[in-house]
Amino acid sequence: AQKVTQAQTEISVVEKEDVTLDCVYETRDTTYYLFWYKQPPSGELVFLIRRNSFDEQNEISGRYSWNFQKSTSSFNFTITASQVVDSAVYFCALRGEYGNKLVFGAGTILRVKS
Amino acid sequence: DAGITQSPRHKVTETGTPVTLRCHQTENHRYMYWYRQDPGHGLRLIHYSYGVKDTDKGEVSDGYSVSRSKTEDFLLTLESATSSQTSVYFCAISLTGLGGEKLFFGSGTQLSVL
Repeated sequence: AQKVTQAQTEISVVEKEDVTLDCVYETRDTTYYLFWYKQPPSGELVFLIRRNSFDEQNEISGRYSWNFQKSTSSFNFTITASQVVDSAVYFCALRGEYGNKLVFGAGTILRVKS
Repeated sequence: DAGITQSPRHKVTETGTPVTLRCHQTENHRYMYWYRQDPGHGLRLIHYSYGVKDTDKGEVSDGYSVSRSKTEDFLLTLESATSSQTSVYFCAISLTGLGGEKLFFGSGTQLSVL
């Protein structure tokens, strides 16, 4: 069975602080894919990143960066110099190579205060 | 905009009443999904479809049925709504349903069962 755990239910930071959202996953597949989605207050789900299990390079996109570590089954997401517009619910998700279902974590609510 | 329309956007109904939610796509994607979002649970898969008249259960399918009579429409039916089915329902689509392919989500339907 596949499982995604986001242990942080809610995080509050002040603008310009860095913040890391944790994601730990479980799977028996050797090939799998990890995702992060953002859900702003408007409610829609926005795709942020996809990473496959064979690519452990960290990725940076502007203020966003992702740290994938197979040894600890983690795929953490860091926002540098947070902004109020980063306030949202962030979901980590997992899918196996042949599975056609995307399994989500419970989500982390990020509140960035000005 | 991935060409997904969910209707209605909001629905209030009474316990025991049948309810049908509609997901319409214009992208001709093969895979369509219904998720429900609840605090502390993230998004959980209810049912999904991998083609016309081809559907399968997700992790929380009890009390729900689906139908897909044409590629563009995927209907979710609550035969007899219960208060535990109060939730936000999201439809999602993908072309192949496999591997690293991301899902595109609709805007969601807020359902309240009184």
